[in-house]
Amino acid sequence: NAGVTQTPKFRILKIGQSMTLQCTQDMNHNYMYWYRQDPGMGLKLIYYSVGAGITDKGEVPNGYNVSRSTTEDFPLRLELAAPSQTSVYFCASSYDARDYGYTFGSGTRLTVV
Amino acid sequence: KQEVTQIPAALSVPEGENLVLNCSFTDSAIYNLQWFRQDPGKGLTSLLLIQSSQREQTSGRLNASLDKSSGRSTLYIAASQPGDSATYLCAVMTSGTYKYIFGTGTRLKVLA
Repeated sequence: NAGVTQTPKFRILKIGQSMTLQCTQDMNHNYMYWYRQDPGMGLKLIYYSVGAGITDKGEVPNGYNVSRSTTEDFPLRLELAAPSQTSVYFCASSYDARDYGYTFGSGTRLTVV
Repeated sequence: KQEVTQIPAALSVPEGENLVLNCSFTDSAIYNLQWFRQDPGKGLTSLLLIQSSQREQTSGRLNASLDKSSGRSTLYIAASQPGDSATYLCAVMTSGTYKYIFGTGTRLKVLA
């Protein structure tokens, strides 16, 4: 059982480049989330999805886009990368977060130079 | 707006000591509260999930309590070990939402 899988684990981007962070879960979870974690800070919600075809903004959505075409996949797109997007990105999923809480992926460490 | 605070930010204790980590939140209307552990450079591992109707949950040497009316949760670690060294995060899910708000964590170091 793979759980929540994030790729890549590490990436260095130049300012202005774009990339997609991948997140896949094999637990048939309805709810999926993207958070970022900056040093010494808690996790901030970027986007989330309550099911295929449904997405919504979190606290810090600017500079990011998401899509949810299948139950399994929830990619996060960075357009025109900026140094402020240097962070560790975590994907999480849940069957129903009100009753089961989250399961996290291992994270993607992104540096924008 | 829900705000989650964890005190202390860092804690260093000798091995074998019992310790308490604190989490407070401003809106008592919650579905649940989850405690996580994060090792340096790693992802988050779920420790305990407490539903709003529960007062406490236990797993091995860990016990988490919830007092919704006062907006507080504590994570009690018994007989601490060097392997317990990590950052502990609490996350609160406010009623009517499906997303967690996280505290900034308590960084624990257990000295051998």
